[in-house]
Amino acid sequence: DGGITQSPKYLFRKEGQNVTLSCEQNLNHDAMYWYRQDPGQGLRLIYYSQIVNDFQKGDIAEGYSVSREKKESFPLTVTSAQKNPTAFYLCASSIGQSSTDTQYFGPGTRLTVL
Amino acid sequence: RKEVEQDPGPFNVPEGATVAFNCTYSNSASQSFFWYRQDCRKEPKLLMSVYSSGNEDGRFTAQLNRASQYISLLIRDSKLSDSATYLCVRGNTGFQKLVFGTGTRLLVSP
Repeated sequence: DGGITQSPKYLFRKEGQNVTLSCEQNLNHDAMYWYRQDPGQGLRLIYYSQIVNDFQKGDIAEGYSVSREKKESFPLTVTSAQKNPTAFYLCASSIGQSSTDTQYFGPGTRLTVL
Repeated sequence: RKEVEQDPGPFNVPEGATVAFNCTYSNSASQSFFWYRQDCRKEPKLLMSVYSSGNEDGRFTAQLNRASQYISLLIRDSKLSDSATYLCVRGNTGFQKLVFGTGTRLLVSP
């Protein structure tokens, strides 16, 4: 099946720990994105990558880091510097960078900081 | 003014009803618009793109009004399975940075 997978589905973290969320796609898409969703708020862009070995900060990049070593993979690390990391994290990809290219989302990871 | 603004609802309608949502946007340079559907605790899924000429897909019709800077979604003959949150999304020219509204919740009852 073609699609986007994210793991784990649920993640619990203690304060002060870094955690890495996985995102893999087999759609052969060039562009990948990370968003977070909080109750009552729209999705907010954390980081995006238009091509392998390149990525850009989104609107709320502080406390997060990413890498794009392979086309298929775009992991997100939530560092201890992120003040309020509890949220629903969504990874997406699109075939290209055009504003008409549809973004497809993975099933998400729910991160809870204990 | 928020970049993308939606009435959060919920809109409670009976099966078979017609319901419409509006969404206003603040950036007149916006070039692309979408409606996504999001079920509870799931990922958003594209419902339809919104074209300048308007478009229809089965029971769903989307319209764009650039002069007044709003888009609309009309759902005819509502089904129980239409119960979800509908996200209004706009994109800019060039790189596809999308801006998401907070969503409008629809509840269809028997």
